[in-house]
Order: sequence, then C-alpha cells, then structure tokens
Amino acid sequence: DIQMTQSPSTLSVSVGDRVTITCRASQSVSAWLAWYQQKPGKAPKLLIYMASTLENGVPSRFSGTGSGTEFTLTISSLQPDDFATYYCQQYNSYWTFGQGTKVEMK
Amino acid sequence: QVHLVQSGAEVKKPGASVKVSCKASGYSFTNYNIHWVRQAPGQRPEWMGWMNAGNGDTRYSQRLQGRVTLTRNASANTAYMELNSLTSDDTARYYCARVRYAFDIWGQGTMVTVSS
Repeated sequence: DIQMTQSPSTLSVSVGDRVTITCRASQSVSAWLAWYQQKPGKAPKLLIYMASTLENGVPSRFSGTGSGTEFTLTISSLQPDDFATYYCQQYNSYWTFGQGTKVEMK
Repeated sequence: QVHLVQSGAEVKKPGASVKVSCKASGYSFTNYNIHWVRQAPGQRPEWMGWMNAGNGDTRYSQRLQGRVTLTRNASANTAYMELNSLTSDDTARYYCARVRYAFDIWGQGTMVTVSS
C-alpha cells in the first residue's frame, strides 16, 4: 500500500496568511494526487486533482504543485471560510489519504 | 444539480450487518464509478471499494475483503454498500462518492454506530 504523510498536522494561522501544506508519498504516484477540504460533520470537498488542476468553482487562491512523491497545497491568502481540515489522496494505486492538516485560527 | 443522497443513520449490535444506500441524481448513473469511503471519528478517510455502476464490476480493499459487498440497482440509480460481522471498529461515517477525475461528488454520509 502507498502511504501518504502530511505536514504539519496542525497550522495556526490568521486571515490573509499564506498557507502551505506538504504531502509525501511512500512511493511515486506520478501526478495522481488530489486535495480535499473537510469541515466538521461534512463530506470532503474536492479542491484539486491531477496534482495541480483546480476543480470547477474552487477559488483561485488554492493551488497545487508537485509530482512523484512530494506535493504541496497553497492557499495564497487565507479567508475565513478556509478554516478546515485538508487531506491529500493518491489514486495511482488504489486510493489512500493522508492523515490530514487542520488549519485553525491563531 | 448532481447529488448523491444516502440513507439515514444506523445503530447495530456487534456481529450484525448494515446496508447503506446511495441514490444518484442529475447525471447518468451508469457512466461513472461509485466508490465507498469511511471515516472513523477523528481519523483519516479510508477507501473501502469501488463499483462500476454500468456493469456492476467491483474491487474491494484488502482490509475489508470478504466483509463488504457493493451492489447497485441501475434502474433506480442507486448504489448499495453492505458490511457484515460488524465490530466497534466499524463505527464510522460511511460515504459514497462519484469518480470523475478524483472523488468529485460525495454523499452526505451515513453514521453507523456499532454498540452492544
């Protein structure tokens, strides 16, 4: 199984901050990598697929980079609606998720 | 509007089975695969399996192989997930999700609680 590891586990930030979350795969997943946002009690919401393609309707302040084993999700200027937990997911070989990064208010 | 609407919360005793439904609307059900994902409280999502909604082919997580069964009623645009031999470790919210590029549409989730 491909293991996905995110860092950090928690980020304490303020509105307007630039936020970067890292996701590492235990082996190459090429660009088969997605990012999701999840709020308490809700289903995950797809933000980015194929490592860097923004899903329709997702604000352009979200961006994704990387390939192989190392990926990043960046929020260029955090907005109040962005406080949530973010997960990466590989779909190169079956489907596995990272442990999540909680973005909380400082 | 594309939607996946799941059945309601369930409380089951250890050893029992649970069957969760997922009704699709707003798109051609048989043109997309449906996956099932569960998430225990405070944990990361865990992939359970997928089904080709067109022909019913399935693939299951090794961890759950033998306990989970995915089916569908194409005429009713509905997918089903059945999990048997439940234990307290199966307490989680269960989601269905459509795959386009990644999991682009999710159901609202069904909470399954296993308790004696």
